[in-house]
Amino acid sequence: KAGVTQTPRYLIKTRGQQVTLSCSPISGHRSVSWYQQTPGQGLQFLFEYFSETQRNKGNFPGRFSGRQFSNSRSEMNVSTLELGDSALYLCASSEIGQGNYGYTFGSGTRLTVV
Amino acid sequence: TQLLEQSPQFLSIQEGENLTVYCNSSSVFSSLQWYRQEPGEGPVLLVTVVTGGEVKKLKRLTFQFGDARKDSSLHITAAQPGDTGLYLCAGVDSNYQLIWGAGTKLIIKP
Repeated sequence: KAGVTQTPRYLIKTRGQQVTLSCSPISGHRSVSWYQQTPGQGLQFLFEYFSETQRNKGNFPGRFSGRQFSNSRSEMNVSTLELGDSALYLCASSEIGQGNYGYTFGSGTRLTVV
Repeated sequence: TQLLEQSPQFLSIQEGENLTVYCNSSSVFSSLQWYRQEPGEGPVLLVTVVTGGEVKKLKRLTFQFGDARKDSSLHITAAQPGDTGLYLCAGVDSNYQLIWGAGTKLIIKP
């Protein structure tokens, strides 16, 4: 079974730009969650999608958005980038989400905002 | 706000020593997961514990879920350099949300 694939692996953007990150979950997994990881804040939950619907949302500004397609692939978008958005963005998939069975993470996208 | 306090934050020990990492909360979790993350990679699920008092073993790693399902521990016996990494615990709350600990950075010196 192929793992969770995130693209791109690395990205450098300028303040004010926008960025789109992509995540392909494990085949058959319908839940995709997104996290931001920084050294100071640890893992912060962004949102979770299940069957194309946003099921849960973390405490991030509206500049952070996402969507899920019918094939369960998901994208997240960050508009008007700020320096503080520099982080490792992780995608995690599971069959149905809701936590109890654990998640499979991708390798992440390292975003640097300059 | 639910918190999952993980300790210690940082641990550097010699190969062959034993160690224990703790996750504590005042909240009850339906399950608790442990992950290990290496630099530049995503966390990898090690184990999920579900029942209060449950003990699971993964080779030299022993995971325990507290009787009240509010805390958990990870014990490593005879640590090896390959155990080096960031260990994260995450509890599933009543709203099916994952509550994450801040992580324990473990370095095993040869």
